[in-house]
This record gives sequence, C-alpha cells and structure tokens, in this order.
Amino acid sequence: GENVEQHPSTLSVQEGDSAVIKCTYSDSASNYFPWYKQELGKGPQLIIDIRSNVGEKKDQRIAVTLNKTAKHFSLHITETQPEDSAVYFCAARGYGNNRLAFGKGNQVVVIP
Amino acid sequence: GAGVSQSPSNKVTEKGKDVELRCDPISGHTALYWYRQSLGQGLEFLIYFQGNSAPDKSGLPSDRFSAERTGGSVSTLTIQRTQQEDSAVYLCASSLEGHRGAYGYTFGSGTRLTVV
Repeated sequence: GENVEQHPSTLSVQEGDSAVIKCTYSDSASNYFPWYKQELGKGPQLIIDIRSNVGEKKDQRIAVTLNKTAKHFSLHITETQPEDSAVYFCAARGYGNNRLAFGKGNQVVVIP
Repeated sequence: GAGVSQSPSNKVTEKGKDVELRCDPISGHTALYWYRQSLGQGLEFLIYFQGNSAPDKSGLPSDRFSAERTGGSVSTLTIQRTQQEDSAVYLCASSLEGHRGAYGYTFGSGTRLTVV
C-alpha cells in the first residue's frame, strides 16, 4: 500500500518568514494529495489539496507543489503568522483506493 | 449539521469497562472513517465504511474493538474491556466519494478517551 513520509518532524520559523514541509510517497499511481492542519485540541482541518494533473496550487499564503517524477509534494506557507503554529499532516491516495495514507505530521512553530 | 459531530468530547473510564463513541457524519457523505491519535502521535487508521460495502476493518488493533454504521449514517465505535493503552483521541471523518476522483476528509473534533 501507499507509504507517506514527512520531513522535518519539527520546524521553527520566525514570524514573517516562509515555511516549507515536504512529503514523499511510494505509489506512483497516487492521484490526490491533501494537506491538513491540526490545532491543539481540535481535529485536523483540510487546508489545501492537489490532484495529479496539476503541478501547483495556491490559496492566499499557502501553496502546494507536486513533483510526480520524484514522487514528492510540498506545502509552502509564506509570511508566517503565529496562528500558523500547528501540526500539519500530508496525505496521499492511490488511484482506485478509498482511503488516505497519512504522514506522521510536522509540528510548525512560528516565533513572534 | 454542517460538520462531523462526535460525542462525548471527553470520556474517562475505568480499566475493564466498555465504552461507546459516537460519530454523526456530514449528511450525504457516503464514506466514514475512524482514526486513533495517541498523544503527540500521527493518525492511526482503525476502520472505514463506504456505502453498503463491507467495512475495511484492517486497522482495528484487537478484537476488543468493533464499529458499526447504522443506516449509512451514524457510526458507533465500541471498545470492550478497556485497557490503559487505549487512552487516546478517537477521530471520526467523513467524505464524499466520487467515481471520478477523490475528496478530502472532514474530521470531527474527536473523543478524548482516558482509561484509569
């Protein structure tokens, strides 16, 4: 089955700087890649997703890029703010599969 | 409702007791998932329901765990003879499955289970 890995496990950035989290996946047939943000005491919330027919997608300060050849995708957060501090999970779903394979999560800390 | 609702939000139980956790998915979502998240850890898949198909139970850690989904809507996760290692946050998610693509999950806020 699909295996998703996230790096780094913890990321600290100064407020206003950019943060990048990278995930790799194993199944070349995977075609859907969402990112979730989990704040303390809450369930994960979908923040952005990308499908395999697209290389990049942006939504205000966040963007996701996909490199199908290298089988990795990344979350980019620009102009980070304290409220961006959270755990971020990436996930992937293979074609014909019905459930997501999640990475282990990244703790992002934005230092004011 | 507008989101996935889980109840109770917190549950403290004595070791050896049975517990039931409830999930109300988003209306119209055909797929429902249960995950477990231990403190500071990732998301551990437990079970998946899709329409009228047989559930995917491959993630259930032992036969003390079971789940059902009645009428294609509400789901109940039951843990029998609870152990301290069952302490975790249990998350439910639902999604709209489509023939042409995949969709993201909508998670509930979870049930924090503490076994003492």
